[in-house]
Amino acid sequence: GESVGLHLPTLSVQEGDNSIINCAYSNSASDYFIWYKQESGKGPQFIIDIRSNMDKRQGQRVTVLLNKTVKHLSLQIAATQPGDSAVYFCAERSSGTYKYIFGTGTRLKVLA
Amino acid sequence: GAVVSQHPSRVICKSGTSVKIECRSLDFQATTMFWYRQFPKKSLMLMATSNEGSKATYEQGVEKDKFLINHASLTLSTLTVTSAHPEDSSFYICSAPGTGSSSGNTIYFGEGSWLTVV
Repeated sequence: GESVGLHLPTLSVQEGDNSIINCAYSNSASDYFIWYKQESGKGPQFIIDIRSNMDKRQGQRVTVLLNKTVKHLSLQIAATQPGDSAVYFCAERSSGTYKYIFGTGTRLKVLA
Repeated sequence: GAVVSQHPSRVICKSGTSVKIECRSLDFQATTMFWYRQFPKKSLMLMATSNEGSKATYEQGVEKDKFLINHASLTLSTLTVTSAHPEDSSFYICSAPGTGSSSGNTIYFGEGSWLTVV
């Protein structure tokens, strides 16, 4: 979704449906990407990562897709559950560093 | 597994005072740690890179005299917000990269510290 002023973009999904969260990254020299989940008042939790030499990686119920041509990353969550409700951030790492830059984030709301 | 611990989780201080936030790596050593700031409904903004045994590296626009960082040991970095003002109220999060071949790409985050300046 597109940024809407000061608020995080929100994706609302029915429980059981699949979710797709998108992220555009900025640095073509980034070599590693991570998706994080953040619940209210807590620090980010690692979900899944992908190196720049890959275009797809699967985890448990989650898949990350990387399109380096357009500098786009997506997170797919299968069979979305209420516990998946959170804010999701992508983060990119510049090659040769441990410095991560975070995307703007998307709030996922799972509707019962 | 590797854990990063932050303390305090919440702190309220009076305007003009200084407050220190600690970030500890548990069960692993971290020569580098990172400090982020997060405003409500916003993303994490990297403030600085904390380097053990040397000066921190600050991101553009972050006042180094305002946000003092000390990386005193391989497991501890501290962020001191000096002469705090209400606009410094925020969620501060630290992170540390994992070590070893199995986790070298992983970065571990603390649970964050809520600072409220009144």
